[in-house]
Amino acid sequence: QKEVEQDPGPLSVPEGAIVSLNCTYSNSAFQYFMWYRQYSRKGPELLMYTYSSGNKEDGRFTAQVDKSSKYISLFIRDSQPSDSATYLCAMIGWGAQKLVFGQGTRLTINP
Amino acid sequence: DADVTQTPRNRITKTGKRIMLECSQTKGHDRMYWYRQDPGLGLRLIYYSFDVKDINKGEISDGYSVSRQAQAKFSLSLESAIPNQTALYFCATCPGGGNEQFFGPGTRLTVL
Repeated sequence: QKEVEQDPGPLSVPEGAIVSLNCTYSNSAFQYFMWYRQYSRKGPELLMYTYSSGNKEDGRFTAQVDKSSKYISLFIRDSQPSDSATYLCAMIGWGAQKLVFGQGTRLTINP
Repeated sequence: DADVTQTPRNRITKTGKRIMLECSQTKGHDRMYWYRQDPGLGLRLIYYSFDVKDINKGEISDGYSVSRQAQAKFSLSLESAIPNQTALYFCATCPGGGNEQFFGPGTRLTVL
């Protein structure tokens, strides 16, 4: 079993929909959680960075962490075609040296 | 100018050739990483370095070597390229004591 599980999709939704992207993990030592967005043929770009449990909002994006369930989510409100990309979750424990990435979910927003 | 640059951006080579991929950064970060990305396999860590004198193997280091020439430069070498090293290669940096990594634009390598 992988430390971080992420449904690779693809996920296709109409413009304006609320999108929910999720990752589950098995290592209870993970404390820091990140979401990256990767456009086709580009490098991953850090989108959201959260510590421990709770919510963090940035514009149309909300990152949610539930450590009791070992589950993190990224919500995209009022989705736009420009949000079409692959979204990768990543996480790391306190003092650890390496990020652990999910496989990435490919998302398409249809106009 | 981009904070993390990679050269070349695209490279086609033949089996058995030696290849070097270069990464430079202007972010002033101590930590640097090399990943490869393959469809269906996500990002896999090849090597990482926390400073000029520190080099560590990642999960898939066989067939690769690295050199940290300066704080700002981290090179990845394939001593004798083979076709299953065809992939997207990314360099990333991270501030010392931080966790968030910042990626370069990638190098698309094809080994024939």
